[in-house]
Amino acid sequence: GNSVTQMEGPVTLSEEAFLTINCTYTATGYPSLFWYVQYPGEGLQLLLKATKADDKGSNKGFEATYRKETTSFHLEKGSVQVSDSAVYFCALSDRSSGDKLTFGTGTRLAVRP
Amino acid sequence: EAGVAQSPRYKIIEKRQSVAFWCNPISGHATLYWYQQILGQGPKLLIQFQNNGVVDDSQLPKDRFSAERLKGVDSTLKIQPAKLEDSAVYLCASSLGSVIGETQYFGPGTRLLVL
Repeated sequence: GNSVTQMEGPVTLSEEAFLTINCTYTATGYPSLFWYVQYPGEGLQLLLKATKADDKGSNKGFEATYRKETTSFHLEKGSVQVSDSAVYFCALSDRSSGDKLTFGTGTRLAVRP
Repeated sequence: EAGVAQSPRYKIIEKRQSVAFWCNPISGHATLYWYQQILGQGPKLLIQFQNNGVVDDSQLPKDRFSAERLKGVDSTLKIQPAKLEDSAVYLCASSLGSVIGETQYFGPGTRLLVL
């Protein structure tokens, strides 16, 4: 079956630090990969996605590259802000499993001023 | 464009009581999902509808959970009777349902506490 493994949190960084949140996956088909973000008190929002190998998704200074050879989709940002404090979820979907999303456990990021 | 609406936002009940959640997806979205998110975990799919038909309910505890999507628009999820382990956030999501890698749009969720 499909599964997603992401790095344990919480991750605490100072403002303007570099961020990496690791994500690896196992899939039976050819998945699409997503990063969702959940800000305090809000619902899940799509942050970025990639639908085929070597695609790079990017949004709000975040980026992630679909690496089929290492089955990874690591999230990076060059300079984090306090407003980036949230929980980040890596997820995948594939057509063979009806496009449902399979999520990782989430990584909580706290950015200090 | 209006987002996915859910109600209520919060619910506290005692075990063995029943509860129902409502979801109104984005207009025109054919596919509707209900996910359960237990504290500290990622969301897990309970049931997926395509229009008013069920696509996947393999993870739905059918002895106590039921869901319907009348007329292929709004949906309700019911728990009867509730157990302590049902305490979670119940998320509704919708998508157009037509292309690979399509974005699912999530509602704010209903936070359920079973005492």
